[in-house]
Amino acid sequence: VLTQSPATLSLSPGERATLSCRASQSVDIYVAWYQQKPGQPPRLLIYDASNRATGIPARFSGSGSGTEFTLTISSLEAEDFAVYYCQQRKYWPPLTFGGGTKVEIK
Amino acid sequence: QVQLQESGPGLVKPSETLSLICAVSGYSITSGHFWGWIRQPPGRGLEWIGTFSHSENIFYNPSLKSRLTISADTSKNQFSLRLSSVTAADTAVYYCARHWDKPGMVNGFDYWGQGTPVTVSS
Repeated sequence: VLTQSPATLSLSPGERATLSCRASQSVDIYVAWYQQKPGQPPRLLIYDASNRATGIPARFSGSGSGTEFTLTISSLEAEDFAVYYCQQRKYWPPLTFGGGTKVEIK
Repeated sequence: QVQLQESGPGLVKPSETLSLICAVSGYSITSGHFWGWIRQPPGRGLEWIGTFSHSENIFYNPSLKSRLTISADTSKNQFSLRLSSVTAADTAVYYCARHWDKPGMVNGFDYWGQGTPVTVSS
């Protein structure tokens, strides 16, 4: 089970965002992060805890291992306000997603 | 450029079978990677449904396995989903997506279809 916190993060453009994903048992580094905007499919940001996917800006970074993972957005831009999901691939099937964190404009 | 496109009926009656197809272009589904189905109920999070692999293994979400069939037509470069005995709880946007599970590769769902909404209602 993946638990994301907080459920909602209210921040202003230019601020730093720190999103958490906690696994109920160790998943090594096998966590990915996605961004989803309304009416769109999710977009892969980070895979294997800390690797940025193709075309993802450097302001997005991932860290962690074992049971604790973090997605950091160093300086929020207008297009970053969205819902973010983590996902594990250590123990599958099933592949599982966290419940999501909504980053909203304060 | 890899592209995925879901197709199927937008409305299914309760107790009937939902059938969707994901057509893939720009990449052969037998060349590598896994090909998955994910759904998202209205206003809620993501749920993995199942995956077809390039080696033709199939993986199901245990919570749906008894009602689920995933298959592929490699000649048409597409894979499909059939979910039987649907209820209102199966109402969701259904996505197909490509992923991997191999050291050194991009291990996430890196290409997605736009999603197709399915409503279960009489």
